[in-house]
Amino acid sequence: AQSVTQPDIHITVSEGASLELRCNYSYGATPYLFWYVQSPGQGLQLLLKYFSGDTLVQGIKGFEAEFKRSQSSFNLRKPSVHWSDAAEYFCAVGGSGSSASKIIFGSGTRLSIRP
Amino acid sequence: NAGVTQTPKFQVLKTGQSMTLQCAQDMNHEYMSWYRQDPGMGLRLIHYSVGAGITDQGEVPNGYNVSRSTTEDFPLRLLSAAPSQTSVYFCASGRGDRGPYEQYFGPGTRLTVT
Repeated sequence: AQSVTQPDIHITVSEGASLELRCNYSYGATPYLFWYVQSPGQGLQLLLKYFSGDTLVQGIKGFEAEFKRSQSSFNLRKPSVHWSDAAEYFCAVGGSGSSASKIIFGSGTRLSIRP
Repeated sequence: NAGVTQTPKFQVLKTGQSMTLQCAQDMNHEYMSWYRQDPGMGLRLIHYSVGAGITDQGEVPNGYNVSRSTTEDFPLRLLSAAPSQTSVYFCASGRGDRGPYEQYFGPGTRLTVT
């Protein structure tokens, strides 16, 4: 069964600084990987996803993530954060085959932006 | 399109009561799911469905029932509410022949069990 870990509960970065949010997954084969964002009081929105192919994926709002099979990681990055990026970020993993339908989320990382 | 709709938005139940959280989508998605969100625990998958008549358990299915009689609707039933079921519940739908390529989430239902 797949699982996902987000080791950072809360991160604060200065506006304009770069950002990296960590995500580690556990799955025996190539997983499906997702990053979602939840703004305060809002629902969840997909930022980007990885299924196969190029390991560097681009998403919305200037985010990107890199799949590293050797490290079982799918870290989210942004070169320069904006105050509007303050939100909670969730990494999620789905398996392949019959496990593709079971999408498991991590516990989330809350991002605060320092003016 | 309304997307994914959930009713009610808020609900207070007494321990032992039953209720159904409604979820509907108008995007003709095969896949639908229910998650609960609790502080510090992220979203946990309760049940999911890959099509009408097909449901399966997620990570935390105990105390919840689901059915999928139509493509559009995926109600979540709490059989006998317990304080541990106090949470925010999200329904989602997605398209994908082997799993959702992207899930679209509803606005959530905040449930309090006293």
